[in-house]
Amino acid sequence: DAKTTQPPSMDCAEGRAANLPCNHSTISGNEYVYWYRQIHSQGPQYIIHGLKNNETNEMASLIITEDRKSSTLILPHATLRDTAVYYCIVRVAGANQAGTALIFGKGTTLSVSS
Amino acid sequence: GAVVSQHPSWVICKSGTSVKIECRSLDFQATTMFWYRQFPKQSLMLMATSNEGSKATYEQGVEKDKFLINHASLTLSTLTVTSAHPEDSSFYICSARTPLGEQYFGPGTRLTVT
Repeated sequence: DAKTTQPPSMDCAEGRAANLPCNHSTISGNEYVYWYRQIHSQGPQYIIHGLKNNETNEMASLIITEDRKSSTLILPHATLRDTAVYYCIVRVAGANQAGTALIFGKGTTLSVSS
Repeated sequence: GAVVSQHPSWVICKSGTSVKIECRSLDFQATTMFWYRQFPKQSLMLMATSNEGSKATYEQGVEKDKFLINHASLTLSTLTVTSAHPEDSSFYICSARTPLGEQYFGPGTRLTVT
């Protein structure tokens, strides 16, 4: 799986949009970009994933650049409960990934303050 | 999303004893489950991959005789930490993979060895 690079930490004011960047310059054509987050002392929580088109769900939006070498996770209206470590992971998706685990980097610690 | 449970959520044991942690997929069948370990202020580290009905595959540096993994059914995997020592104190997180390749995480088990 391709390697990802994320800033170690970011701050965001409550109610503002949080934009978390991720670089994945060696991504392959069949690899997806996944985002998970981990709130302190809990298991990771799936947020969103995408291949090349922008994606949006009830939690966040994922913007992937046209060359797919980077992406941005957007939390449109950050709340205090969004304070967590956010992980960007690149991997091949689907049922063919038998036995392939998600590998976590260091992620970005997002601190949302009032 | 799918639900993965872990039991216990926290455990304290004495050095030299063994501890068993259970991981269950509650609403789907998981042919593959993963076990991770997370030390304070570090990222999740993959310990082993567990396939139902077969032996687990351990990551380099993880002692298979110390961390016994059993995946006896499509909804249950167990991790037994044998002869636990204080350095085994950590946050243990399991993950289960759906037939479509999605990976969901349990809430984690905090192990403290005294």
